[in-house]
Amino acid sequence: DQQVKQNSPSLSVQEGRISILNCDYTNSMFDYFLWYKKYPAEGPTFLISISSIKDKNEDGRFTVFLNKSAKHLSLHIVPSQPGDSAVYFCAAARSGYALNFGKGTSLLVTP
Amino acid sequence: DAGVIQSPRHEVTEMGQEVTLRCKPISGHNSLFWYRQTMMRGLELLIYFNNNVPIDDSGMPEDRFSAKMPNASFSTLKIQPSEPRDSAVYFCASRTGQGHPPGELFFGEGSRLTVL
Repeated sequence: DQQVKQNSPSLSVQEGRISILNCDYTNSMFDYFLWYKKYPAEGPTFLISISSIKDKNEDGRFTVFLNKSAKHLSLHIVPSQPGDSAVYFCAAARSGYALNFGKGTSLLVTP
Repeated sequence: DAGVIQSPRHEVTEMGQEVTLRCKPISGHNSLFWYRQTMMRGLELLIYFNNNVPIDDSGMPEDRFSAKMPNASFSTLKIQPSEPRDSAVYFCASRTGQGHPPGELFFGEGSRLTVL
């Protein structure tokens, strides 16, 4: 059973606008959360993370928000650029355990 | 620095044949993971090793799948016999036990398997 869910398989956004990717999880024991980005024919690469003691982490154009009570996190990309077009995977884990990934959301940023 | 190295990048085989996928983790990383990516299930964990010891293999689909890590610099994932439903991209990833974020994995480029 999927413990990490990304319910939107795809998202299309205009260049310069905000992209918001959502993720829900079911396991309340998860204590850190990550976003990975994947281009075709490449492996996923780490983008940004947040620990469960925080509710926001920002890195340049990327911000991750965590709402523990709702078991929900989101990734905001502002402003979106065509090079951001990729598949984004949400991941979560307990310390010392393997990452559980969602199915991914394919983001397309159009000029 | 070399990243995680996987081989082969592409494998096309016929049903019933044995398939062996190989992985060389980043030097110094003591945890190694095998994931499988499909459209239906996304990225699913098959097995992971800490210090060459299998820790969790609950994601291995069935007895046809086996994985080994004979030393810190090499791991294999074997499928015998292979079936068409095994067609997927198989990723190997590694990480250190320390550092922050502890969950950051470094992935290889994947091995795309097609079983006809």
